[in-house]
Amino acid sequence: QVHLVQSGAEVKKPGASVKVSCKASGYTFTIYAMSWVRQAPGQRLEWMGWINGGKGNTEYSQKFQGRVTITRDTSASTAYMELRSLRSEDTAVYYCARDKYAEGSFDYWGQGTLVTVSS
Amino acid sequence: DIQMTQSPSSLSASVGDRVTITCRASQGISNSLAWYQQKPGKAPKLLLYAASRLESGVPSRFSGSGSGTDYTLTISSLQPEDFATYYCQQYYNTPRALTFGGGTKVEIK
Repeated sequence: QVHLVQSGAEVKKPGASVKVSCKASGYTFTIYAMSWVRQAPGQRLEWMGWINGGKGNTEYSQKFQGRVTITRDTSASTAYMELRSLRSEDTAVYYCARDKYAEGSFDYWGQGTLVTVSS
Repeated sequence: DIQMTQSPSSLSASVGDRVTITCRASQGISNSLAWYQQKPGKAPKLLLYAASRLESGVPSRFSGSGSGTDYTLTISSLQPEDFATYYCQQYYNTPRALTFGGGTKVEIK
């Protein structure tokens, strides 16, 4: 059974950074890509970027380029998303999501991590 | 980026109704389209991918169709557990610039 378990909620001040983890189980981590998707309150889902679980190469949405870094630790079957220079508009639920066929549809999702940015 | 426009943004329906949700892309996406269901406080759930392929374990009352820029999600007979928000998502771009529609909230009439 595939599970993606994310780290807990975070509260950060503007200008700070946050790093969210996503631990995978139930499948071979290095075979699949992992994306990060966020959802601000009342807003549509927003793709941030992805990482190839095996090779470790990444691609980022232009919107977040330069502010986000996605990494992985294959020994721990865990992906990470770090977002820097946080602002209030970054308040959202952040999800990791497994890429079904390395194409961009997501068959398993983490439970979500609420990141609140407030002074 | 490719813009995804869903309609309607919300609808009211009764159990047993046939429900249709449409999604229009700002350019052709060659069936690189997925549909998700999201319930309050939960992560999205994949229903269909490649526009019309049903994800394993998803009931057959869900179906998808379309081509080019226009796509449709149909629920043939709405069930109580189907009241949720539905999102389309394109994955056509290379390099990646995946985008989602604005969502359609299906409510009980």
